Amino acid sequence: GAVVSQHPSRVICKSGTSVKIECRSLDFQATTMFWYRQFPKQSLMLMATSNEGSKATYEQGVEKDKFLINHASLTLSTLTVTSAHPEDSSFYICSARLGEKLFFGSGTQLSVL
Amino acid sequence: QQQVKQSPQSLIVQKGGISIINCAYENTAFDYFPWYQQFPGKGPALLIAIRPDVSEKKEGRFTISFNKSAKQFSLHIMDSQPGDSATYFCAARQPSGSARQLTFGSGTQLTVLP
Repeated sequence: GAVVSQHPSRVICKSGTSVKIECRSLDFQATTMFWYRQFPKQSLMLMATSNEGSKATYEQGVEKDKFLINHASLTLSTLTVTSAHPEDSSFYICSARLGEKLFFGSGTQLSVL
Repeated sequence: QQQVKQSPQSLIVQKGGISIINCAYENTAFDYFPWYQQFPGKGPALLIAIRPDVSEKKEGRFTISFNKSAKQFSLHIMDSQPGDSATYFCAARQPSGSARQLTFGSGTQLTVLP
């Protein structure tokens, strides 16, 4: 089956620093990847759609200057949380589309102190 | 607004029982309906999916029932096991646009008692 690898699985950082999360499709090429945010006991909230070789499309209310997305290759998309603050603490999940199916990474728990 | 409404919010089932989770949607143009299973601290994993031209799909102990006229679909887990305890999300795919994003339900916390 298709595998999406996400790193790191957990990160703790100080307020004001930047954190980069990587999402890789290991055995397939993904022209489109998605980034979600999930709060405890809640559903997945789509943050942005990452398109290889072009700018990401952000959902309403998501600050594109705070959540920088780069999709430089067909197998890698990165999400950088810039100048992180405690309210950015959350579970971030990426996904990649293969045909009509969407496969998810294992998620990154970000804790901003 | 394109929504997918999921119920119940939580469900407790005895081992060996049947777990049933329901979803309803509004946009009749949705063209693909997957179910995902998520364990704590992990990303969702695709369980089973169905297209609207099919009324039922079965894979092992998991069955999707789809009622197009009622705009409802449900997940049935037969012979539920403690290892099935997880959060389940239904979803529906937007039919247009290059991204073809998924709209997720609110999730159901399933607990299967031993």
